[in-house]
Amino acid sequence: KAGVTQTPRYLIKTRGQQVTLSCSPISGHRSVSWYQQTPGQGLQFLFEYFSETQRNKGNFPGRFSGRQFSNSRSEMNVSTLELGDSALYLCASSLVGEGRETQYFGPGTRLLVL
Amino acid sequence: KNEVEQSPQNLTAQEGEFITINCSYSVGISALHWLQQHPGGGIVSLFMLSSGKKKHGRLIATINIQEKHSSLHITASHPRDSAVYICAVRALGAQKLVFGQGTRLTINP
Repeated sequence: KAGVTQTPRYLIKTRGQQVTLSCSPISGHRSVSWYQQTPGQGLQFLFEYFSETQRNKGNFPGRFSGRQFSNSRSEMNVSTLELGDSALYLCASSLVGEGRETQYFGPGTRLLVL
Repeated sequence: KNEVEQSPQNLTAQEGEFITINCSYSVGISALHWLQQHPGGGIVSLFMLSSGKKKHGRLIATINIQEKHSSLHITASHPRDSAVYICAVRALGAQKLVFGQGTRLTINP
């Protein structure tokens, strides 16, 4: 089975722009979670989608949003980028999610905001 | 205080040594995860525990629910074990993972 894929792998944007990141889960997995990793804050939960519905959301401003499509692929969007949004964005997929089972992580998208 | 605390933050050892990384948490949990992150960012899930002990190859993970503590052990450590090890918990009634800050392990040949 193919693993979790994320595109793009690297991205450079400027302040004020918006960005869309994509995640394709393992075939058959219906839960996709998104995480932000920074040197200062470590890994932090952004949100989780299950069957096209946002099931959980972390403590991030409304500039961070996401969605999930019927084929379980997910996108996250960050609008009005700030310098502090520079981070590694990871997605993880699992069968039913909510941290109750093994999650499979993608390679991440490294975002640099200038 | 973070809900999940790991120790040590950094650990350097010689090849062959027995390694222990600790994770303490302050809330009731339904599951605890140990993750491994190599340079470059890729994360691999090593274990998910809700009680007792699990073993996979040279890796052993234990959890003591009453003491709110988990340990990850590596026997016969090898330079390829060099990575950041991250503990994450799913609190009771919560629907998300909360992560520790990670332990950076370096194994020298």
